[in-house]
Amino acid sequence: DAGITQSPRHKVTETGTPVTLRCHQTENHRYMYWYRQDPGHGLRLIHYSYGVKDTDKGEVSDGYSVSRSKTEDFLLTLESATSSQTSVYFCAISESELSYEQYFGPGTRLTVT
Amino acid sequence: QKEVEQNSGPLSVPEGAIASLNCTYSDRGSQSFFWYRQYSGKSPELIMFIYSNGDKEDGRFTAQLNKASQYVSLLIRDSQPSDSATYLCAVVRSGGYQKVTFGIGTKLQVIP
Repeated sequence: DAGITQSPRHKVTETGTPVTLRCHQTENHRYMYWYRQDPGHGLRLIHYSYGVKDTDKGEVSDGYSVSRSKTEDFLLTLESATSSQTSVYFCAISESELSYEQYFGPGTRLTVT
Repeated sequence: QKEVEQNSGPLSVPEGAIASLNCTYSDRGSQSFFWYRQYSGKSPELIMFIYSNGDKEDGRFTAQLNKASQYVSLLIRDSQPSDSATYLCAVVRSGGYQKVTFGIGTKLQVIP
């Protein structure tokens, strides 16, 4: 298994509170991604990173921000959580620009009440 | 039209049969195609990728790509109950960094 961990694995929070999810990899891969998975929508890309301090938006980036200060860590922040952000969040990594094979972390189940 | 379409299923097949999972995509410039398996409550796991027209075999799995018709399929031979999972099709579209789009997945049930 690719060395990817996510923390926390489960979280319940209230509307309006900030939340930060962490993804940590031990593979030294350049590319890292945050997805959310919801019934009927599949996996949707929130943000991705192509290097330290290099990030870009995905298709559902509104309400989310990211940071990557080290190769191994990619943080996803919900500035002010809303109920529509209740979802399962997956981090993924891939090795190079030419390889789109992605390896996923175990996921974080976030519930916003 | 969705960029990547899959029938959500469930697709039920008896043990030992061939399961055929299909995926269509809208961007003719799409370059790379992937199949992920996702067990309930778990994360997606890459099982196959294909870049060129034709068939690619790996054990009991065969990926088939037809760019002219814009579809990609996954065949699972000698299906086992352990193959019961949701299978996600992913397509790398043209146009720059990491334009990967996932389908909603097809749920496969292998009946013993």
